[in-house]
Amino acid sequence: GNSVTQMEGPVTLSEEAFLTINCTYTATGYPSLFWYVQYPGEGLQLLLKATKADDKGSNKGFEATYRKETTSFHLEKGSVQVSDSAVYFCALSGEGRGSTLGRLYFGRGTQLTVWP
Amino acid sequence: DAGVIQSPRHEVTEMGQEVTLRCKPISGHNSLFWYRQTMMRGLELLIYFNNNVPIDDSGMPEDRFSAKMPNASFSTLKIQPSEPRDSAVYFCASRQGSKSYEQYFGPGTRLTVT
Repeated sequence: GNSVTQMEGPVTLSEEAFLTINCTYTATGYPSLFWYVQYPGEGLQLLLKATKADDKGSNKGFEATYRKETTSFHLEKGSVQVSDSAVYFCALSGEGRGSTLGRLYFGRGTQLTVWP
Repeated sequence: DAGVIQSPRHEVTEMGQEVTLRCKPISGHNSLFWYRQTMMRGLELLIYFNNNVPIDDSGMPEDRFSAKMPNASFSTLKIQPSEPRDSAVYFCASRQGSKSYEQYFGPGTRLTVT
């Protein structure tokens, strides 16, 4: 089946520190992979995506590379800011038949807090 | 451009009352998803529609929950009767087409059942 496992939080960092949030997946077929971000009191927003193996998604200084051999899609940022404090969700697209096609499978989310 | 619109943003109700949550997807999007978010269970998919037709409702907790999409621009999620364990944030999301899996989320409805 389809599932996503991401590192448990919370993650607490000082401003300008390096960030890694681990994400691994199990999937049928060749899914697309996503990172969504949720700021306090808001809905989820797409942060970046990758649609095939070895693709690198990037946005706002965040990057993640689709690694098929390790079934991973780790999120990284070289220098975090206080404004990056949020919950980050890893997700994959359903590629199978029927009801799995078209839906996203989300991880549990990782809370990131950045202190000045 | 308007994003996904949800109403109300906050709802406080007493146990046993009927609750109706509303969602207006982005114009032109043909898929709509209802999610529930709690600290204990994280983000759960309740039901989703393609072209106004329910595709998968296996995430709906029990018969007290029902969802409808009478047209492409409106959907409701109803809980009757409500219970304290239904307290959560409910999100609606929409998606365009069948080749893009990006979902656009609304701001959510925070439901508190006392």
